[in-house]
Amino acid sequence: QEKVQQSPESLIVPEGAMVSLNCSFSDSASQSIWWYQQHPGKGPKALISIFSNGNKKEGRLTVYLNRASLHVSLHIKDSQPSDSAVYLCAVSGGSNYKLTFGKGTLLTVTP
Amino acid sequence: GGIITQTPKFLIGQEGQKLTLKCQQNFNHDTMYWYRQDSGKGLRLIYYSITENDLQKGDLSEGYDASREKKSSFSLTVTSAQKNEMAVFLCASSIDRGLTGNTLYFGEGSRLIVV
Repeated sequence: QEKVQQSPESLIVPEGAMVSLNCSFSDSASQSIWWYQQHPGKGPKALISIFSNGNKKEGRLTVYLNRASLHVSLHIKDSQPSDSAVYLCAVSGGSNYKLTFGKGTLLTVTP
Repeated sequence: GGIITQTPKFLIGQEGQKLTLKCQQNFNHDTMYWYRQDSGKGLRLIYYSITENDLQKGDLSEGYDASREKKSSFSLTVTSAQKNEMAVFLCASSIDRGLTGNTLYFGEGSRLIVV
């Protein structure tokens, strides 16, 4: 069964800092990797996904996927207090319908 | 844009009671999901449904029933509430239709409290 591990568990950064979040997964046959953002009392919201090895940039977000090392990272440039949330890494496996989620990283951006 | 509405937002019940959570989506999505979120653990899939009247078990289906009588709605029943299953239950939907890696759209969650 797919395992997804995220690090760090929590992170506090000042406004304007670059944030780096990490996620490792166990199944090399995994398909897409997703990052979701969850604010307190709200449901997760999809931020960005990646399928191919390499990187993908959308606005202030960049995601890097290295299938050989089973590792994906999310980088947030010029972080804002509104970015404070839990970030969930999710990996889709052989079945189209099953996403396996990590436990999340709690990000706090201080003004 | 669409929305996923979960009711109730808080559900309080007694131990051993049968409790039902409801979810409605207006995206016209094919697939709907119920996840459970416990503090310190990842989201775990309870049930999903790829079309009306279809039900598929997830990793955590024991102790739960689900029902998809209409494309737009998906309900989850806790068959006998236990104090160790106080958690947030999240409903989600996705387009799917056989494509890989579709975005999941989540509701705001329903918190189950067992007294």
